[in-house]
Amino acid sequence: GESVGLHLPTLSVQEGDNSIINCAYSNSASDYFIWYKQESGKGPQFIIDIRSNMDKRQGQRVTVLLNKTVKHLSLQIAATQPGDSAVYFCAENSGGSNYKLTFGKGTLLTVNP
Amino acid sequence: DGGITQSPKYLFRKEGQNVTLSCEQNLNHDAMYWYRQDPGQGLRLIYYSQIVNDFQKGDIAEGYSVSREKKESFPLTVTSAQKNPTAFYLCASSISLAGARSTDTQYFGPGTRLTVL
Repeated sequence: GESVGLHLPTLSVQEGDNSIINCAYSNSASDYFIWYKQESGKGPQFIIDIRSNMDKRQGQRVTVLLNKTVKHLSLQIAATQPGDSAVYFCAENSGGSNYKLTFGKGTLLTVNP
Repeated sequence: DGGITQSPKYLFRKEGQNVTLSCEQNLNHDAMYWYRQDPGQGLRLIYYSQIVNDFQKGDIAEGYSVSREKKESFPLTVTSAQKNPTAFYLCASSISLAGARSTDTQYFGPGTRLTVL
């Protein structure tokens, strides 16, 4: 079956370091990807998205990279702060007539002061 | 203040009871969704609605029911037929159903944690 997964379930970094969270996807028809941040007990918060016709997209302190050749997505957080501590998960939309977002299980990012 | 609201934040249910979770949005979005989140698992789609008075089953619709009488509201009822209802329930909305415009982002509410006593 098609799935979205993560390479690392947990990531611990020092404050000020850069963080990289990875996501693998298996549906070659996926044309849109989203990263969400979820703090404990709260709903997911949209961070950044990218379409399949792009390789890189930058936001404020975050960058998403898309490698379609190996079906890999990554989220880079620059100068990680304690407030960045949360679960991060990716989602893919297969597009076309497929309404669904398929979600990964998430990576827990812990930022140490 | 625009956004998606869910209530209550915490809900307790006795066995055999039906309970209804509220979801309201003032974003003027056409599409609304209900997901269930369990520890260590990705979000799973329960029901979705593209337009008023229309809704479709998702991947795990058994034991749940919904209605979409107004554009702003998409309540979810967890019935007694749902054998394992304890979970974190998330409502989301998007401008349109994602399949129609595949780059429509889904935005989430704060969630309702349901516990069966």
